[in-house]
Amino acid sequence: GENVEQHPSTLSVQEGDSAVIKCTYSDSASNYFPWYKQELGKRPQLIIDIRSNVGEKKDQRIAVTLNKTAKHFSLHITETQPEDSAVYFCAASSGNQFYFGTGTSLTVIP
Amino acid sequence: GAVVSQHPSWVICKSGTSVKIECRSLDFQATTMFWYRQFPKQSLMLMATSNEGSKATYEQGVEKDKFLINHASLTLSTLTVTSAHPEDSSFYICSARDRGRGRWEQFFGPGTRLTVL
Repeated sequence: GENVEQHPSTLSVQEGDSAVIKCTYSDSASNYFPWYKQELGKRPQLIIDIRSNVGEKKDQRIAVTLNKTAKHFSLHITETQPEDSAVYFCAASSGNQFYFGTGTSLTVIP
Repeated sequence: GAVVSQHPSWVICKSGTSVKIECRSLDFQATTMFWYRQFPKQSLMLMATSNEGSKATYEQGVEKDKFLINHASLTLSTLTVTSAHPEDSSFYICSARDRGRGRWEQFFGPGTRLTVL
């Protein structure tokens, strides 16, 4: 099956700085890559996603880049705010299953 | 739109008993539902994928006789943890794919916290 690796596991940034989280995947058939934000005890919330026919996607302060050749994709959060603090998960899917990365605990320091 | 509910939200049971968790898509039809398990401070581990009207596809290492999944309708899937043991204590989350929105995005339920004594 698919193997998704995510780095770093923890990340602390000052408010206003940028945060970058990186993921790699193993299955070349994967063609959908969502990112989720999960607060403690709550369900994951989709924040952005990208499909394999696109190299980059941006939504306000959040952007995702995808390199299919290298099988890696990244989440970029600019102008971070304290409310961005949460655990972020990447995932890879070929359409039938979703496989999640190990998560990144992001702390934004006011 | 695209709301998924789970019931119960928290359940405590004795070792050896069985527990059923329901996952419902409230305002859409879900041809595919996914079941995940999440231990504290860990990622979501896919347990199985269920398609309406057919048998679930289990991930490697997940015992199908212990975790019974039924996807009887386009809005309901159930996960039954049979003969539960303390090591089954975890956060169980379902997700559903909206048939009307295409094959990609999945919507998560709020999760069920299972504690086995």
